[in-house]
Amino acid sequence: EAQVTQNPRYLITVTGKKLTVTCSQNMNHEYMSWYRQDPGLGLRQIYYSMNVEVTDKGDVPEGYKVSRKEKRNFPLILESPSPNQTSLYFCASSSHSPDTQYFGPGTRLTVL
Amino acid sequence: GESVGLHLPTLSVQEGDNSIINCAYSNSASDYFIWYKQESGKGPQFIIDIRSNMDKRQGQRVTVLLNKTVKHLSLQIAATQPGDSAVYFCAEMLAGNQFYFGTGTSLTVIP
Repeated sequence: EAQVTQNPRYLITVTGKKLTVTCSQNMNHEYMSWYRQDPGLGLRQIYYSMNVEVTDKGDVPEGYKVSRKEKRNFPLILESPSPNQTSLYFCASSSHSPDTQYFGPGTRLTVL
Repeated sequence: GESVGLHLPTLSVQEGDNSIINCAYSNSASDYFIWYKQESGKGPQFIIDIRSNMDKRQGQRVTVLLNKTVKHLSLQIAATQPGDSAVYFCAEMLAGNQFYFGTGTSLTVIP
């Protein structure tokens, strides 16, 4: 089944404790993105990647890192999480640009 | 950042009626637009897209209209069903793979 998977789905952590949210797609897509979704603000793009080893900042990249060492994986790294990074995070992928994006199920992160 | 706004945060329609959800975008350089549907607890799901060289595109029960003159996008859902109840987002794409989403309209279908 073609899909985008994220892990973990839920995470509660404390300020300053490094964490990684994994994202993997099995559709051989070139493009991948990370978004955060907050009430009243819609989805905001954090980072995107157009190919292996190619990443670019989106609208809200501060406090986040990404890497794209393999085509299928696009992990989101929070080196020192803060409470304002409490949010619902989505990973998405598409085969080319422009094209529709397929979204993962989301990761709900709470930073205390 | 770019601003993509929706005219109404909530919309209620009677089952069987047509629904129209509106969206305003701000960047005339945007060349690709998408409508997504998001059900509670799930990720956004693609509904329909349109490129800037078109002004109308139809899918199954859905139509997207693009008015580049006033930078306005709309989604029309024909014969709205209870399963259409969800939050709908418009998104615009700028250079590369840079997307900006609207804040969403919550559609409620009344049986």
